[in-house]
Amino acid sequence: NAGVTQTPKFQVLKTGQSMTLQCAQDMNHEYMSWYRQDPGMGLRLIHYSVGAGITDQGEVPNGYNVSRSTTEDFPLRLLSAAPSQTSVYFCASIPDRGTTGELFFGEGSRLTVL
Amino acid sequence: GDSVTQMEGPVTLSEEAFLTINCTYTATGYPSLFWYVQYPGEGLQLLLKATKADDKGSNKGFEATYRKETTSFHLEKGSVQVSDSAVYFCALTPTGNQFYFGTGTSLTVIP
Repeated sequence: NAGVTQTPKFQVLKTGQSMTLQCAQDMNHEYMSWYRQDPGMGLRLIHYSVGAGITDQGEVPNGYNVSRSTTEDFPLRLLSAAPSQTSVYFCASIPDRGTTGELFFGEGSRLTVL
Repeated sequence: GDSVTQMEGPVTLSEEAFLTINCTYTATGYPSLFWYVQYPGEGLQLLLKATKADDKGSNKGFEATYRKETTSFHLEKGSVQVSDSAVYFCALTPTGNQFYFGTGTSLTVIP
């Protein structure tokens, strides 16, 4: 099983450029989410989705857009990149909502904004 | 709001030493608690979990007990190995929609 797949693994952008981080899962999970990981800050939730067509904001949503047109895919868009968005981004999914749900993580995408 | 506070690192131990990584939480209601581990260059993976007070999660020799009276979920292992070197994250979810992570504790085990 591929699990949660993120692309690209590494990306360098200039300030103001746009890009999309891709996330796909083949486990038929309802819930998908995006986190950013910064030194000393742990992981912080950016956006999440509880199913196709449904998205909601997390703790740090500003500067990011998401959509969920299929169960499998949950892309994260940066419309105008800023140096403050330099981070490692993780996509994660769980089969359905529930307090016992284990998050399945992708391997991460390291983004540098110059 | 909901949050997790975990022990600052980095932690360096000799092989076979005892490990404790402290984690305390703030949450309304009855959250589920987790420990995740991140090996170099990889995403996080679940190490253990507990879903109600007094539950003990365990896996690979690691243990943690959900203590509601002290709002804690400390991670312990009796004898660490070099292969346990990683970053450990404490996390909670009150609803299953949003997960809150601690800042991570880096562990290095030396032979």
